[in-house]
Amino acid sequence: EPEVTQTPSHQVTQMGQEVILRCVPISNHLYFYWYRQILGQKVEFLVSFYNNEISEKSEIFDDQFSVERPDGSNFTLKIRSTKLEDSAMYFCASYYDQWFFGPGTRLTVL
Amino acid sequence: KQEVTQIPAALSVPEGENLVLNCSFTDSAIYNLQWFRQDPGKGLTSLLLIQSSQREQTSGRLNASLDKSSGRSTLYIAASQPGDSATYLCVPNPYGNNRLAFGKGNQVVVIP
Repeated sequence: EPEVTQTPSHQVTQMGQEVILRCVPISNHLYFYWYRQILGQKVEFLVSFYNNEISEKSEIFDDQFSVERPDGSNFTLKIRSTKLEDSAMYFCASYYDQWFFGPGTRLTVL
Repeated sequence: KQEVTQIPAALSVPEGENLVLNCSFTDSAIYNLQWFRQDPGKGLTSLLLIQSSQREQTSGRLNASLDKSSGRSTLYIAASQPGDSATYLCVPNPYGNNRLAFGKGNQVVVIP
């Protein structure tokens, strides 16, 4: 069964550092997303990506965040200067008639 | 803006009991609805997909119903097992591949 993969599974970083979270969506999917879940809270939308550009972003997705599809398979989320409140589980998702979520990257900002 | 409410927020049941998890959503203009399972600290595992034209969908011990016009879905889990302990998330999928709205889920504990 096709699946979305994410690396790393856990990332620990110092406040102010840049991090890049990586995702490999399902190969024939065209719509890609990042969601995040702060511990104990709801899953919340960050950004959607289609045809090599952002199609929608939430109020959380400020100038510190960026997304990229650098090649035909990877989809990345970059946080330029991490803050303590960026600590969360980050989920990549792709969509084709139904949603497929990756296993998540747990980001811990110290 | 879609709002999703899931009731009960948490429940504990002895093994073998049937589970009834309720979901309501405010915007009925949905393409389909998925139920996911989330184990603590883990990702979202899709359990059932129910199209907007369907009334219910079944997979093994799981059965999901959908009443789109009233904005409700129910997940039934028959003969619960300790391995069913998890948080269950109901996710209505809007038209146009827009952002998903999540509720807090139904947190289930099945006691052996």
